[in-house]
Amino acid sequence: DADVTQTPRNRITKTGKRIMLECSQTKGHDRMYWYRQDPGLGLRLIYYSFDVKDINKGEISDGYSVSRQAQAKFSLSLESAIPNQTALYFCATSDSRDLYGYTFGSGTRLTVV
Amino acid sequence: AQSVTQLDSQVPVFEEAPVELRCNYSSSVSVYLFWYVQYPNQGLQLLLKYLSGSTLVKGINGFEAEFNKSQTSFHLRKPSVHISDTAEYFCAVSDQAAGNKLTFGGGTRVLVKP
Repeated sequence: DADVTQTPRNRITKTGKRIMLECSQTKGHDRMYWYRQDPGLGLRLIYYSFDVKDINKGEISDGYSVSRQAQAKFSLSLESAIPNQTALYFCATSDSRDLYGYTFGSGTRLTVV
Repeated sequence: AQSVTQLDSQVPVFEEAPVELRCNYSSSVSVYLFWYVQYPNQGLQLLLKYLSGSTLVKGINGFEAEFNKSQTSFHLRKPSVHISDTAEYFCAVSDQAAGNKLTFGGGTRVLVKP
């Protein structure tokens, strides 16, 4: 099994719908991140969490919310999806004792029509 | 605020030829630098990282990068590429002022031709 698992792998949804992307990890890492990838823009940070009770906005948090249900689970929600949220979304984890060992999930490809 | 610029969005290269991917960064403090690779339909894997010490860093799969503080660059090189090196490559920067979060460049897509 993968160390960082994202579900679903692919999703097509309609404008205005609420959608949740889920991430779970078996690395035992305390830090988790959500990034979105767009062609030519690289990966941009949406939200991050340094522990279960710590949630922080990244550079592009508008239109998104997150929940850290447990150390191993970090979900990303789009309350009312819009077409410009069509992107590839990545979850990543890291350990505060090893700050540069990021582990990425395989991504969720989201299309908003 | 830190930022990363990858100067080439696409780099076509023939098999067994050398390749260089350029990366420049801006940051107000000491930085840590990374190169990640993304193979088709996969997540990101760490190729190499510079934290301190020698400015020439060797990574996996024969890649290496050189940190140049005066030019604020961290270019990635491989002397002889293989078809399997076809992927997208991302340069990233982190510093303590940013809470050690990664900031990525826009990516460089490498297409290795036979």
